[in-house]
Amino acid sequence: SAVISQKPSRDICQRGTSLTIQCQVDSQVTMMFWYRQQPGQSLTLIATANQGSEATYESGFVIDKFPISRPNLTFSTLTVSNMSPEDSSIYLCSVHQMNTEAFFGQGTRLTVV
Amino acid sequence: AQTVTQSQPEMSVQEAETVTLSCTYDTSENNYYLFWYKQPPSRQMILVIRQEAYKQQNATENRFSVNFQKAAKSFSLKISDSQLGDTAMYFCAFPAGGTSYGKLTFGQGTILTVHP
Repeated sequence: SAVISQKPSRDICQRGTSLTIQCQVDSQVTMMFWYRQQPGQSLTLIATANQGSEATYESGFVIDKFPISRPNLTFSTLTVSNMSPEDSSIYLCSVHQMNTEAFFGQGTRLTVV
Repeated sequence: AQTVTQSQPEMSVQEAETVTLSCTYDTSENNYYLFWYKQPPSRQMILVIRQEAYKQQNATENRFSVNFQKAAKSFSLKISDSQLGDTAMYFCAFPAGGTSYGKLTFGQGTILTVHP
């Protein structure tokens, strides 16, 4: 199993500002994933973060808006840049390991005003 | 591309009764995993149960079981003896490439409410 600590748990931000979300895992993992969950909706993958290389973004998500860092095998950050009210969502990080299920952080509830 | 469909946006059940949540998927993979996740109001995603497609036997975890129909690409979740703590949003999920550790595609979710 993997224990994931995600910070902050929630935040209220002004439009035009940026927020960085941190994800710390208690073991080394190859891939980390960042998801967005808009209000009342399902989870959508933003990007896959691999250590030592640039993140791979899904269609509809771009690096300038959601820059990701992956400095080592236990840590990653997602930044939501130049925020607008449409960015109000829950953001979750996740790790998957061979032959186990995915584990998730507690999520960050972001409200942009 | 893989798709996962949950056709029941909301379900409700009385405490101690049984409820079944539906999920269908589309894939060209032959061997793969399928998952049901639960998300209570705390936002924490919790694995409920997983099924490996090469296993013909349906997975069971205590009060939770699945009805896996590979040919029909159907993967329903049955919750027996429902409890108030089962109130949550439930997601069916399929990993990329069918593996146990790929990025996940989620269904739309089903909000389950258990009434006392």
